[in-house]
Amino acid sequence: EVQLVESGGGLVQPGGSLRLSCTASGFTFGDYAMHWVRQAPGKGLEWVSGISSGSGDIIYADSVKGRFTISRDNAKNSLFLQMNSLRSEDTALYYCTSRRGSGWPFDYWGQGTLVTVSS
Amino acid sequence: EIVLTQSPGTLSLSPGERATLSCRASQSFSSSYLAWYQQKPGQAPRLLIYGTSSRATGIPDRFSGSGSGTDFTLTISRLEPEDFAVYYCQQYARSPSTFGQGTKVEI
Repeated sequence: EVQLVESGGGLVQPGGSLRLSCTASGFTFGDYAMHWVRQAPGKGLEWVSGISSGSGDIIYADSVKGRFTISRDNAKNSLFLQMNSLRSEDTALYYCTSRRGSGWPFDYWGQGTLVTVSS
Repeated sequence: EIVLTQSPGTLSLSPGERATLSCRASQSFSSSYLAWYQQKPGQAPRLLIYGTSSRATGIPDRFSGSGSGTDFTLTISRLEPEDFAVYYCQQYARSPSTFGQGTKVEI
């Protein structure tokens, strides 16, 4: 059974930092691109960042470019999102999601980890 | 970026009825790269349809997708109680991948 389990969310003050993690199981993690998608409370889905299977290709939404850093450790089946200079508008449920490649949709999703940016 | 606009915002129907959800794109793209997701309260999105019309694993055949260019449709032929949820379309043809704002299907 495929599982993606996110962790690391919490309450942080504006300007602060958080590091999200996603641990994968049930599939060959190193064969998949991985992405972060977020959902603000009561709102729709927003793609945040993605990383290719071998970490050679990394992309970010304009809204987080320069503040967030995505990375992965294939030996540990783990995906990360380092979030710096957090703003109130970054408050959201952050989902980890997998993708076979650029021509494929997001097939598996975790349950999300909540990030709240507030003073 | 490609903007996806879904309509209607809310669809009020009864079990057994047919649901037709629309997704319109701000620019044309290949139908190979349009997906639909279902999201129930408190749950993660679930992939329903990819490549405009291919059902994901385990998705019942009452769900179907169609369209091309800038206009795409998700049809649920006969609504079951478990189908009442929010549905999102997504394009993954061009970066950044974008989602529509969602259509809520309610009783």
